[in-house]
Amino acid sequence: QQQVKQSPQSLIVQKGGISIINCAYENTAFDYFPWYQQFPGKGPALLIAIRPDVSEKKEGRFTISFNKSAKQFSLHIMDSQPGDSATYFCAADNDMRFGAGTRLTVKP
Amino acid sequence: DGGITQSPKYLFRKEGQNVTLSCEQNLNHDAMYWYRQDPGQGLRLIYYSQIVNDFQKGDIAEGYSVSREKKESFPLTVTSAQKNPTAFYLCASSSLEDQPQHFGDGTRLSIL
Repeated sequence: QQQVKQSPQSLIVQKGGISIINCAYENTAFDYFPWYQQFPGKGPALLIAIRPDVSEKKEGRFTISFNKSAKQFSLHIMDSQPGDSATYFCAADNDMRFGAGTRLTVKP
Repeated sequence: DGGITQSPKYLFRKEGQNVTLSCEQNLNHDAMYWYRQDPGQGLRLIYYSQIVNDFQKGDIAEGYSVSREKKESFPLTVTSAQKNPTAFYLCASSSLEDQPQHFGDGTRLSIL
């Protein structure tokens, strides 16, 4: 009963390119949308989060775009670097349900 | 430094054996969580606790048990009833609803 659907499952981007990961949610009561970054052998760590009162939030090279009417939000990584290679998870609210994850590989 | 400590980092279980994974936090968070991570399946919630001496089952609680006797500690026992325990187990905590979860670095459990 996945309430947050994430795509793509894997993504390969060239260094300097833009990485885009998408998530869709079902429950319109959700009001907190975090993204987590996980490196191999480590636990996930909060990367950036947004609340639905804004349509976009930017922190450095990372941007969340939020579309409340479509119940979708996405993570954009600008100027992607090899060090960004990791698995990214979206989540909705503190519902304890995460997207299935996207494995990002940035090629030098 | 504040954070979540999981131990051990690697654990091996024999058939018919119960094993306990430790999770300690010094962030003064009320809520604590246990997740199981399998390749390609993301994070699945096993149990969570929002207050001492109280906890709720998550999506995949069968074969697992927990206790929350102290605010700082939330150990997970993988019982012999869990027939496929090989996975990466993650513990997390958070202060309030709509706040980010802080994760430990996980315990990798394997079957001997």
